[in-house]
Amino acid sequence: DAKTTQPTSMDCAEGRAANLPCNHSTISGNEYVYWYRQIHSQGPQYIIHGLKNNETNEMASLIISEDRKSSTLILPHATLRDTAVYYCIVRVAAGANNLFFGTGTRLTVIP
Amino acid sequence: DGGITQSPKYLFRKEGQNVTLSCEQNLNHDAMYWYRQDPGQGLRLIYYSQIVNDFQKGDIAEGYSVSREKKESFPLTVTSAQKNPTAFYLCASSIADRRDTQYFGPGTRLTVL
Repeated sequence: DAKTTQPTSMDCAEGRAANLPCNHSTISGNEYVYWYRQIHSQGPQYIIHGLKNNETNEMASLIISEDRKSSTLILPHATLRDTAVYYCIVRVAAGANNLFFGTGTRLTVIP
Repeated sequence: DGGITQSPKYLFRKEGQNVTLSCEQNLNHDAMYWYRQDPGQGLRLIYYSQIVNDFQKGDIAEGYSVSREKKESFPLTVTSAQKNPTAFYLCASSIADRRDTQYFGPGTRLTVL
C-alpha cells in the first residue's frame, strides 16, 4: 500500500469548509484513496473513497489531483461533531484484510 | 437500524482472568474483524473471519481467541496469556469482497487491573 502524508493537526471555524490534504506521491494505478475518521473513544467511520474522479456523498467531497499524487477531503460546513482524527488510506480495493491507519490529521472545529 | 454493536463499552478485569468481548452485526456482512488500538496509535488486526466457521489470525493474535458460529456474531476472548491486554478493542464488518470498506462498532475499552 502506498504511503500517505497528512498534517498532524488543523483547526477550522464552525460553519466553514474544512479542507484536509493528503499526499500520496507513490500511489499506483490500481490503488484507491480512502478517508475514514475517528471521533474520540469511538470506532472509525468510513467517509468516502475514489480512484481518480472527484467524489461527493452526503458527508464530504473528495478531490483527487490530476496526477493522483495528492487529494483533499472537504467537509463543506464543519460542525463541532466533525472534530475527529481523519485518516487518509491508499490501497488496492481487494488488498489486505486489515486497514492501515497512520497517524492521521486531528481536526478541531472551533465554535 | 443496521449496524454493529459491541458490549460492554467499558470492561474491567483482574489480571489472570479470561474475558470475552461481544460483537454483533445486522448488516448481513460475511466478513468480520477484530482490531486493537493503543493510545495514540493506529489499529492492529487481531483476527478476521471471511465466513461462518472460519477465521484467520491477524498480526497480533497471540493471547486471543475467537469463534464464528453465526454470521452476525464474532466474539473475542482475551486470555490470561495476553501480556498487555489493556486497550481499546474495535470490531468491524464488511461485505466479503469489500474489505477496503469496513464498518466499525463503538469499541470496548478493556482495563486489566
